[in-house]
Amino acid sequence: AQTVTQSQPEMSVQEAETVTLSCTYDTSENNYYLFWYKQPPSRQMILVIRQEAYKQQNATENRFSVNFQKAAKSFSLKISDSQLGDTAMYFCAFMKLPTGMMRFGAGTRLTVKP
Amino acid sequence: DAGVIQSPRHEVTEMGQEVTLRCKPISGHDYLFWYRQTMMRGLELLIYFNNNVPIDDSGMPEDRFSAKMPNASFSTLKIQPSEPRDSAVYFCASSPGQGALNQPQHFGDGTRLSIL
Repeated sequence: AQTVTQSQPEMSVQEAETVTLSCTYDTSENNYYLFWYKQPPSRQMILVIRQEAYKQQNATENRFSVNFQKAAKSFSLKISDSQLGDTAMYFCAFMKLPTGMMRFGAGTRLTVKP
Repeated sequence: DAGVIQSPRHEVTEMGQEVTLRCKPISGHDYLFWYRQTMMRGLELLIYFNNNVPIDDSGMPEDRFSAKMPNASFSTLKIQPSEPRDSAVYFCASSPGQGALNQPQHFGDGTRLSIL
């Protein structure tokens, strides 16, 4: 079974600075997707970024980028120029193919301080 | 386009009562997922459906929980009888699945359930 581990329950960062959230996973699959979801206090689950396992190039979405190390089974999220609106819980998730079934990490609570 | 719609948004009831949570997936999505989120256990997958058929219900905590998907546009998660430890936020999500493998799951806003 796949497991997803986020080892940082809480993190904080000053506004405008950069922060990296860690995620590791365990799987015997070769073809899968990885995601970062954001959950602000409003409770909505918002997709931040996704990465296809077969792609070596790290995904980027504006201020968000990932460091995907397939051999190490590591998938960290870097947030540049942090904004107060980035304050939220961040979940790392693994999607098994072809079912689309997902496993989530426990989450990292990120606080951006003014 | 409308996203995944869940109802009710909040539910407060006394233990022993039956609780029914509802979900309308995005039209055209073949997969539907039910999750439970608690502080202690994080986000857990309870059950998922493909084309209205339950595929994996190994995450359903016990027999008090049941889920149905009578058609492609509606699913329910029922708890009977409810207990205080069932208090959590329940999310429904849908995905195109095999039709578009590069698409992630789309989540509803969740139902916050409180069992007194």
